[in-house]
Amino acid sequence: GAVVSQHPSWVICKSGTSVKIECRSLDFQATTMFWYRQFPKQSLMLMATSNEGSKATYEQGVEKDKFLINHASLTLSTLTVTSAHPEDSSFYICSARDLEGASYNEQFFGPGTRLTVL
Amino acid sequence: GQNIDQPTEMTATEGAIVQINCTYQTSGFNGLFWYQQHAGEAPTFLSYNVLDGLEEKGRFSSFLSRSKGYSYLLLKELQMKDSASYLCAVSDSNYQLIWGAGTKLIIKP
Repeated sequence: GAVVSQHPSWVICKSGTSVKIECRSLDFQATTMFWYRQFPKQSLMLMATSNEGSKATYEQGVEKDKFLINHASLTLSTLTVTSAHPEDSSFYICSARDLEGASYNEQFFGPGTRLTVL
Repeated sequence: GQNIDQPTEMTATEGAIVQINCTYQTSGFNGLFWYQQHAGEAPTFLSYNVLDGLEEKGRFSSFLSRSKGYSYLLLKELQMKDSASYLCAVSDSNYQLIWGAGTKLIIKP
């Protein structure tokens, strides 16, 4: 089956520092990857849609200069939280769409990254 | 606008059956997904419906009525491990997933 990995699985950082989260599709090529954020006891919130080789499309209210997304290859997308603050502490989840899979629509999720900003 | 509605929380008894409903209004429709999410973990895929009717997969079944903008997830022979949040998501005309807020299912012994 399609597998998506994320690294790191958890990170603790000081306020003002930057954190990079990697999302990899391990056994398929993903032209589109999605980045979500989830606060405790809330549903998934789509932050941005990332297409390989082009600029990410950000959802309304998401600061593109703060959440930098790079999708340099068909198997890797990165999210960098710049100048992180405690309010950025959240569970960040990526997903990838397999265009050649049985279901064009299905998104495969990574295990998530828990970010804590002190 | 686009909207997905599902109950916030449901409680059921171990061994019983529970039905979680989802209604949607979206710009276009390219299928409806159900995902299960345990606390602190990423969602895992349960089912996908794009045509009307019932899809059965073991203890879980999912139903879709496109004319009514309605789906349900049916869980049979409930086990304690089924305690989780269940997320309904619709793929719109741009193949973007529109997510419901999730239904927290509590299973009691």
